Amino acid sequence: KAGVTQTPRYLIKTRGQQVTLSCSPISGHRSVSWYQQTPGQGLQFLFEYFSETQRNKGNFPGRFSGRQFSNSRSEMNVSTLELGDSALYLCASSLGWRGGSTDTQYFGPGTRLTVL
Amino acid sequence: GIQVEQSPPDLILQEGANSTLRCNFSDSVNNLQWFHQNPWGQLINLFYIPSGTKQNGRLSATTVATERYSLLYISSSQTTDSGVYFCAVRDIGSRLTFGEGTQLTVNP
Repeated sequence: KAGVTQTPRYLIKTRGQQVTLSCSPISGHRSVSWYQQTPGQGLQFLFEYFSETQRNKGNFPGRFSGRQFSNSRSEMNVSTLELGDSALYLCASSLGWRGGSTDTQYFGPGTRLTVL
Repeated sequence: GIQVEQSPPDLILQEGANSTLRCNFSDSVNNLQWFHQNPWGQLINLFYIPSGTKQNGRLSATTVATERYSLLYISSSQTTDSGVYFCAVRDIGSRLTFGEGTQLTVNP
């Protein structure tokens, strides 16, 4: 099976712009989660989508949003970019059924966003 | 939410040495994973191990859920083992809470 894919891999934007990142989960996986990794804050959970519904949300401002399509692909959007949004954005997929090894999350290679 | 602490924060080894990385968590969990983050940033799954012991080649892991800790053992380390090792536990829903990681450097 192909792994989790993320596009684009690298992105440079300027303050005030918006950005959309894409994640394609492993075939058959219905849950997609997004994480932000920065040197200062480490890995932090953004949100999780399961069957096109947001199932869980982290503590990020409303500028961060996401959605999931019927084929389980997910996008996240960041509006009005700030310098502090520069980070590695990681997407993870799982079968989505909580409990047991089916809960194992598999990560994509990430999108490295730089805001100038 | 659950607190996850990893130790040591940094570890430098000579090739061939063994090491033990520790992960302590503040509450009971039913999902714990170990990851290796490679230099390009990708998180590679090592183990799904909410309890018990597992082995995969030179790596093994043990989680003692009742005492709220997990250990990752790396034997006969190689330079390709260098990178950051993360422990993560499932908190609310499917949210993984990560520790701050252990930066491992293996010198030739």
